[in-house]
Amino acid sequence: QKEVEQNSGPLSVPEGAIASLNCTYSDRGSQSFFWYRQYSGKSPELIMSIYSNGDKEDGRFTAQLNKASQYVSLLIRDSQPSDSATYLCAVKGSGTASKLTFGTGTRLQVTL
Amino acid sequence: SQTIHQWPATLVQPVGSPLSLECTVEGTSNPNLYWYRQAAGRGLQLLFYSVGIGQISSEVPQNLSASRPQDRQFILSSKKLLLSDSGFYLCAWSVRGLSTQYFGPGTRLTVL
Repeated sequence: QKEVEQNSGPLSVPEGAIASLNCTYSDRGSQSFFWYRQYSGKSPELIMSIYSNGDKEDGRFTAQLNKASQYVSLLIRDSQPSDSATYLCAVKGSGTASKLTFGTGTRLQVTL
Repeated sequence: SQTIHQWPATLVQPVGSPLSLECTVEGTSNPNLYWYRQAAGRGLQLLFYSVGIGQISSEVPQNLSASRPQDRQFILSSKKLLLSDSGFYLCAWSVRGLSTQYFGPGTRLTVL
């Protein structure tokens, strides 16, 4: 069973701080990694994708991938109350066509 | 640009009644299509995916079925709903051969 693990939270950070969200995966052959944001009652929306080891930055968001440790993270700089949502990590494993395995998500609360 | 539609947005159905949820994608051709269910407080569970008209792969044995009568249309059905079928149903699409998935707005189904 290929698994994607996330701490369910809630992770509470003050406005302006850096939020760090973590995800581990079990399939060592995994190739592609995604972060989605899901507001309560809404569908997931894609934030970032990352395919190679290292960091990838997009605005206030930075995705970090370490395939040796089977670990992917999302950093949100200058956190805003509007960032309060559940963040889903998704992984495309080896030999799974285009299917993604999702973690159960980490709920982020940005406090004033 | 691509757009994905789902309807209805919400649905309340009695146990034992039939179900039909529809998903359509605009602005792309030959997409991969996916049906997910998200139960309250739980992660995304892949139910079905399709790589072409009439080609359906089922991920978990259950009370549901899927069909793809047209290239950009994906339908989720049930002959008799169970209480356990309640949840948030999400349709997603990806470019053929790529793993990045984009979600529709979802249908919230309550079975009473």
